[in-house]
Amino acid sequence: KQEVTQIPAALSVPEGENLVLNCSFTDSAIYNLQWFRQDPGKGLTSLLLIQSSQREQTSGRLNASLDKSSGRSTLYIAASQPGDSATYLCALSTASKLTFGTGTRLQVTL
Amino acid sequence: NAGVMQNPRHLVRRRGQEARLRCSPMKGHSHVYWYRQLPEEGLKFMVYLQKENIIDESGMPKERFSAEFPKEGPSILRIQQVVRGDSAAYFCASSPTGQGQNTEAFFGQGTRLTVV
Repeated sequence: KQEVTQIPAALSVPEGENLVLNCSFTDSAIYNLQWFRQDPGKGLTSLLLIQSSQREQTSGRLNASLDKSSGRSTLYIAASQPGDSATYLCALSTASKLTFGTGTRLQVTL
Repeated sequence: NAGVMQNPRHLVRRRGQEARLRCSPMKGHSHVYWYRQLPEEGLKFMVYLQKENIIDESGMPKERFSAEFPKEGPSILRIQQVVRGDSAAYFCASSPTGQGQNTEAFFGQGTRLTVV
């Protein structure tokens, strides 16, 4: 059974800092890994998708890496902004579903 | 191209009533997934459907819950005789193909069910 852990559970940083969010998983037999953001009371917005054969993906200030051998993924956010405040979720894709971590709640302060 | 549309956004039901949650996938998507997010918990998979077929319902509670995705119209998640523990956010996602390396899931805004 796939178990997904995200550390830290919550993080507060001042605007402009670079930061790293961590995601670890127990089963490396995955199709891909997605990072999402969820704003309070809202749905999920897909940020990045890394295929199982890839090592990383980049979109703007975001960079996600995947290391299947160690069961880890990281989401790097450069030059953080208050608008980045949200909960960030990683999700592993297997045959018919996504298995989600419990998320990291990020607060970027002015 | 409209995204995944869920309605209603908010639903209040008394204990014992039925709740019907609707999900229209993105245009061209024939695969639909339902997830539930209980308060202060992560999202949990419930069911995966393709047009007119249930592919995987391993996350569905055995009683009172059912899902369908008819040939025409939206996917429906139905909860009969709701109880307070059913209060949660229910999210629908869709994809153009089944899960695979390139398959990206797109989520709707969710339906927040409150049972009073």
